[in-house]
Amino acid sequence: QQQVKQSPQSLIVQKGGIPIINCAYENTAFDYFPWYQQFPGKGPALLIAIRPDVSEKKEGRFTISFNKSAKQFSLHIMDSQPGDSATYFCAASRTGGFKTIFGAGTRLFVKA
Amino acid sequence: NAGVTQTPKFRILKIGQSMTLQCTQDMNHNYMYWYRQDPGMGLKLIYYSVGAGITDKGEVPNGYNVSRSTTEDFPLRLELAAPSQTSVYFCASSSHQRAAYNEQFFGPGTRLTVL
Repeated sequence: QQQVKQSPQSLIVQKGGIPIINCAYENTAFDYFPWYQQFPGKGPALLIAIRPDVSEKKEGRFTISFNKSAKQFSLHIMDSQPGDSATYFCAASRTGGFKTIFGAGTRLFVKA
Repeated sequence: NAGVTQTPKFRILKIGQSMTLQCTQDMNHNYMYWYRQDPGMGLKLIYYSVGAGITDKGEVPNGYNVSRSTTEDFPLRLELAAPSQTSVYFCASSSHQRAAYNEQFFGPGTRLTVL
């Protein structure tokens, strides 16, 4: 019920490609779905987030797609760059809750 | 603002030793968290606090203790270190005012090795 399942574990794309990272959740009480980006040796930082009342959110080259009925959401990185190489975590939490549940992470490498 | 700071950055402990990982935030956030990050396992919540004097267990609390005497500080204590506690530890904080969005701000991490 509390899990967030993330795939793939790792991903290699060419510069300009569109990596897609997928997540699935079980608890329908979740109503906030952030993505965090982590560079080597650093702590995670919020990249983009979505609430389930919308099906898509774009911020620059990053897009979250959300499918409430399937309880799935995904991150798309348009025109990926070597500087996007990082580990990406999806997560879920609920309004009024104190905890955020994180996926296992996807290590992305963008080849120059 | 420095944000969330953690000390030390690296530490090697011998089995059975104890240590305290320090965490301080200067954003006046009510909520603070300790996570451990193991390869391929994501972030596991160890303990969290919703305010000074209030702490609660997360997903993996065994072998750890916390205290929260001030809003700013949230130290994590390891008693009788074991090799299974080798990990990278992250402290994070979140504002009560932004609780509906629950954005967390992370420190730079402490890499701990227990030999």
